Amino acid sequence: DAKTTQPNSMESNEEEPVHLPCNHSTISGTDYIHWYRQLPSQGPEYVIHGLTSNVNNRMASLAIAEDRKSSTLILHRATLRDAAVYYCILDSNYQLIWGAGTKLIIKP
Amino acid sequence: GAVVSQHPSWVICKSGTSVKIECRSLDFQATTMFWYRQFPKQSLMLMATSNEGSKATYEQGVEKDKFLINHASLTLSTLTVTSAHPEDSSFYICSARDWDGRNTEAFFGQGTRLTVV
Repeated sequence: DAKTTQPNSMESNEEEPVHLPCNHSTISGTDYIHWYRQLPSQGPEYVIHGLTSNVNNRMASLAIAEDRKSSTLILHRATLRDAAVYYCILDSNYQLIWGAGTKLIIKP
Repeated sequence: GAVVSQHPSWVICKSGTSVKIECRSLDFQATTMFWYRQFPKQSLMLMATSNEGSKATYEQGVEKDKFLINHASLTLSTLTVTSAHPEDSSFYICSARDWDGRNTEAFFGQGTRLTVV
């Protein structure tokens, strides 16, 4: 199974940009890269996804390396409400393969 | 956006009893739904893939006779934990995707906190 590797945790200051890295060196050509986040005792929430090109939406940006072996989720201006566990996931044959995630801590 | 509703959000049951958890897609038809289990401070673990009108596909190590899945309609899947024991206490989450030929995002229910006493 294609897997992802993320740092266990990261800290950032409020109102500053946050770059969350993810390595997926075994990604196959058809695997999409998805990002979700989860607050305590809640179901995950979709953030963004892409295949090859960088993607932007109202929540974040996704920068995908040219060789697709890594990607970075960018929160342009973090708020306290962005504190959550962020999961970088490979969508392999429409099945999401979950890694351990990064706990993002936002300091006021 | 699309919504997946899961009910109940929490349940406490006695050891040996059964508990049913419902997962509904509110504004799209979900031919496939997914059931996950999550232990404290761990990631989601896929238990089974629920297919409308056919048998669920269980992941290795998940007992199909203990975790009964029924997906009788395009908007409803249920997970029944039979003869629950304290070790079944966990956070259960369902998910569905609106397949339209493109790679789309997954929508998740709010989760169900099961405590077996």
